[in-house]
Amino acid sequence: GDSVTQMEGPVTLSEEAFLTINCTYTATGYPSLFWYVQYPGEGLQLLLKATKADDKGSNKGFEATYRKETTSFHLEKGSVQVSDSAVYFCALTDKGGGTSYGKLTFGQGTILTVHP
Amino acid sequence: GAGVSQSPSNKVTEKGKDVELRCDPISGHTALYWYRQRLGQGLEFLIYFQGNSAPDKSGLPSDRFSAERTGESVSTLTIQRTQQEDSAVYLCASSLQGGVPTEAFFGQGTRLTVV
Repeated sequence: GDSVTQMEGPVTLSEEAFLTINCTYTATGYPSLFWYVQYPGEGLQLLLKATKADDKGSNKGFEATYRKETTSFHLEKGSVQVSDSAVYFCALTDKGGGTSYGKLTFGQGTILTVHP
Repeated sequence: GAGVSQSPSNKVTEKGKDVELRCDPISGHTALYWYRQRLGQGLEFLIYFQGNSAPDKSGLPSDRFSAERTGESVSTLTIQRTQQEDSAVYLCASSLQGGVPTEAFFGQGTRLTVV
């Protein structure tokens, strides 16, 4: 079945540092890929997405590129801020046929803490 | 409504009792998901409803867990004979399914505590 693997956390950075959170996936169909973020005390919300190979999703200074050849969707940000401290989840929905169509599968989440 | 609504927001129950959690998805969203998030853990898939198709129940952890959805509207997740390990935040999400599955919108969750 489909699966998503994220780099182990937690990740602790100083403000203005470069961020990479690795994400790789396994899917039987043709997935769309997502990064969701959960800020402290808040619900899950979409950060960015990409629906086909070589697409780049971007939002709030974060970027991720859909790499079919390496089955990856790594999240990057050039200069993190304290306000970026949150839990980040990589996810996919499978566009293949059958009951898996549209099913949303998450990675285990990566806790990011940014210090001033 | 404007977003996914879950009720109750908090529930404390005694071990062995049954609980029912409710989710109102965004109007028109054909897909609905239930997840469980234990303290400090990731998202654990429970069940997925997609339009009128048979639901994907592969994530339900035991036969004490069940879920229903009426058409493309409200869903209820029922946990029978609750155990302490059922304590978690139960999250519901919905999305608009079409040719390309779109993003899922999450509710605020129901925090279940079994004492």
